[in-house]
Amino acid sequence: AQSVTQPDIHITVSEGASLELRCNYSYGATPYLFWYVQSPGQGLQLLLKYFSGDTLVQGIKGFEAEFKRSQSSFNLRKPSVHWSDAAEYFCAVGAGFNKFYFGSGTKLNVKP
Amino acid sequence: DTGVSQNPRHKITKRGQNVTFRCDPISEHNRLYWYRQTLGQGPEFLTYFQNEAQLEKSRLLSDRFSAERPKGSFSTLEIQRTEQGDSAMYLCASSLTSGGNTDTQYFGPGTRLTVL
Repeated sequence: AQSVTQPDIHITVSEGASLELRCNYSYGATPYLFWYVQSPGQGLQLLLKYFSGDTLVQGIKGFEAEFKRSQSSFNLRKPSVHWSDAAEYFCAVGAGFNKFYFGSGTKLNVKP
Repeated sequence: DTGVSQNPRHKITKRGQNVTFRCDPISEHNRLYWYRQTLGQGPEFLTYFQNEAQLEKSRLLSDRFSAERPKGSFSTLEIQRTEQGDSAMYLCASSLTSGGNTDTQYFGPGTRLTVL
């Protein structure tokens, strides 16, 4: 069965520090992977996606993610976090029939 | 490109009442999706349309829920006889099919439903 695990519910980092948010997926076929960000009370904004090709993908706002098939992971990274990055981040896997399976999210707090 | 819009943004209702939400997708997007998101969880798939055809429904979509997309443009999601457990954020997304199995979905701001 398809599933996505985001093991960290909350993460706090200092502004300017590097960030890595973990995502592990379970899917029998070639995964289509996404990271979305959600600010309080808002919908989801697409940060980046992986369909095929280069396993390191670049997204908006300086984010990148690396697909590692051997580890079934798609971790999100940013070299230097800004206070405006505080939000909730969701990893998703796209399965057949366009159904997305989302993780339960990681809330990012940024300390000044 | 004005993005996906949803109305209303917030809805408070009493248990047992019916509610209807509207979603306007990005123009020219032929696929439209509904998700439900409860507090502390990621969105859960409810149903999706390709043009006006409803192609899949989740087990989460009980018989009190109905969704339509009559002309292949906007969609409505109706909940009849609301229950407190229906309180959630209802998200709509749209995509333009590229012919593959999975498209990129673009989300609206959501409708927050509170059932008292």
